[in-house]
Amino acid sequence: GAGVSQTPSNKVTEKGKYVELRCDPISGHTALYWYRQSLGQGPEFLIYFQGTGAADDSGLPNDRFFAVRPEGSVSTLKIQRTERGDSAVYLCASSSDSGSSYNEQFFGPGTRLTVL
Amino acid sequence: RKEVEQDPGPFNVPEGATVAFNCTYSNSASQSFFWYRQDCRKEPKLLMSVYSSGNEDGRFTAQLNRASQYISLLIRDSKLSDSATYLCVVNPTSGGSYIPTFGRGTSLIVHP
Repeated sequence: GAGVSQTPSNKVTEKGKYVELRCDPISGHTALYWYRQSLGQGPEFLIYFQGTGAADDSGLPNDRFFAVRPEGSVSTLKIQRTERGDSAVYLCASSSDSGSSYNEQFFGPGTRLTVL
Repeated sequence: RKEVEQDPGPFNVPEGATVAFNCTYSNSASQSFFWYRQDCRKEPKLLMSVYSSGNEDGRFTAQLNRASQYISLLIRDSKLSDSATYLCVVNPTSGGSYIPTFGRGTSLIVHP
């Protein structure tokens, strides 16, 4: 399995709790994106990493959301004090973007987050 | 106005039909364009890139109209297996950060 993997596949939590969602990109892909997708909508951009650094985090909705990619590979999206409105499918994608061109994104299967 | 707009459908067509979807975008500086396919409760997968000269891949044809700022996807001889949501993706610029913008998707249902 050389594709993008995400864990957990499903996460049910209670309002106010903290959650971590993990993404393991395709080996060698320097670019990593997090998206959020609600029912009937397209993926909504959250944050983009080029290597270890967050190149653009303009899509994070508020300061409850944070993401890291400390070694330039695996990334973790962290959500504090979850709210019911955070319920969605969180998608991760990786690509071989070099910073000067845009290449195909490969998506993981997503984590379905439900906040009760 | 949304950056990328698509008719959500659903487009309900019989097998063998030809169907076309359009997608409009607002940023005239957009540089690259794609169609992704997303099956129910699955992740999006690249269907095809869209080039200025238009491109064809089997039964699928994609075209770009920069003057009118839209891209299109034409599917000929529809198959049951074409039933899915088709997402239009627009990338705004060739320099700096690459933030693809997805449309909400167009749902296609092909029936026997």
